Amino acid sequence: DTGVSQNPRHKITKRGQNVTFRCDPISEHNRLYWYRQTLGQGPEFLTYFQNEAQLEKSRLLSDRFSAERPKGSFSTLEIQRTEQGDSAMYLCASTNPGENEQFFGPGTRLTVL
Amino acid sequence: AQRVTQPEKLLSVFKGAPVELKCNYSYSGSPELFWYVQYSRQRLQLLLRHISRESIKGFTADLNKGETSFHLKKPFAQEEDSAMYYCALSRVRGSQGNLIFGKGTKLSVKP
Repeated sequence: DTGVSQNPRHKITKRGQNVTFRCDPISEHNRLYWYRQTLGQGPEFLTYFQNEAQLEKSRLLSDRFSAERPKGSFSTLEIQRTEQGDSAMYLCASTNPGENEQFFGPGTRLTVL
Repeated sequence: AQRVTQPEKLLSVFKGAPVELKCNYSYSGSPELFWYVQYSRQRLQLLLRHISRESIKGFTADLNKGETSFHLKKPFAQEEDSAMYYCALSRVRGSQGNLIFGKGTKLSVKP
């Protein structure tokens, strides 16, 4: 296990298309977080899961965004009908009760043309 | 409103000089404060957190509840300290809650 992994690392799409990103957390971690980072900003929280349950969603997560973690392991983040404003780095992080930090993945950079 | 403010976008110092990266927060309860760092072409990683009260890579940070600050300090900067630094708070103990990040400060240490 080399840490949190995310795929793809880069995604270029045209406005209006749907995109899906995948996050594989550290295997024993039951909490998984999605963040979005735009240029010049820090990461902004989108949503998080404990096991397969989605426990909290940010107001940033519009109806076009949906996240799943069906078996409590990997998670997917789907954006429907992408807009240019969705262009950002999408970060995934995982942790466990008792851990002192969230472990981040390398991110998926989305560019919407 | 919960907010983390890092007033400096860029901080440039010479090697061996002291460095202080400022962080102020706004939160009504008792948050947990963190510093995360991102070196060039690497992922975001934890540098230190306030409850551990430890020094990592020569960096320390003290939580000042009166001033709602959590400034990061190092007495003698090294070139390898050049990176993006993010201050973050968690509403929930032990990093279990979602993190609220500041905009980050880019530290550049010149030789």
